[in-house]
Amino acid sequence: ILNVEQSPQSLHVQEGDSTNFTCSFPSSNFYALHWYRWETAKSPEALFVMTLNGDEKKKGRISATLNTKEGYSYLYIKGSQPEDSATYLCALNRGNTPLVFGKGTRLSVIA
Amino acid sequence: DTGVSQDPRHKITKRGQNVTFRCDPISEHNRLYWYRQTLGQGPEFLTYFQNEAQLEKSRLLSDRFSAERPKGSFSTLEIQRTEQGDSAMYLCASSSWVGQGRNQPQHFGDGTRLSIL
Repeated sequence: ILNVEQSPQSLHVQEGDSTNFTCSFPSSNFYALHWYRWETAKSPEALFVMTLNGDEKKKGRISATLNTKEGYSYLYIKGSQPEDSATYLCALNRGNTPLVFGKGTRLSVIA
Repeated sequence: DTGVSQDPRHKITKRGQNVTFRCDPISEHNRLYWYRQTLGQGPEFLTYFQNEAQLEKSRLLSDRFSAERPKGSFSTLEIQRTEQGDSAMYLCASSSWVGQGRNQPQHFGDGTRLSIL
């Protein structure tokens, strides 16, 4: 069974705080790591697709890093805003196989 | 880009009934995926299509579940003889798969929430 682990399960931060969460995955046969943001009552939205060890990607105040050798990725949010409140999902792709999702990190940003 | 659309948004039905959901992917996407998500879990893969061909089904998918993508465009997911354990959010996603070595994000619909009474 392929396990993709995310931590923490949930997180409450004050507006303006920076935060980060972790996605851990088996490092063998790595192909790509996806990050999605899923706001309540909306569809999951793709943030990043990361493929290379050492990759660092940025989208506004959100950035992500990737370490394929040790099997983890970090997602960072700088200066959290209430609109960042969502569940953040990571998903592992091992080539021509379906994505395997973690359970997500639920972020609540308190104004 | 009209995005991925799913219909219906909500479905409430009695145990034992059959239900069918529809997904319209982004028109130029050749891959279409179905997932199921329950409370506290991430989306769980059910099946996917490349054009009209169903390439993989999850081993967790019982024979009460069937999916089609008859012309390589929209897809339907049918659940026969529904059980209470089928209550979940059913998500559809599409992506563009272009040969080896390309990895595109999946674009999701809003999902169909199924409640079995």
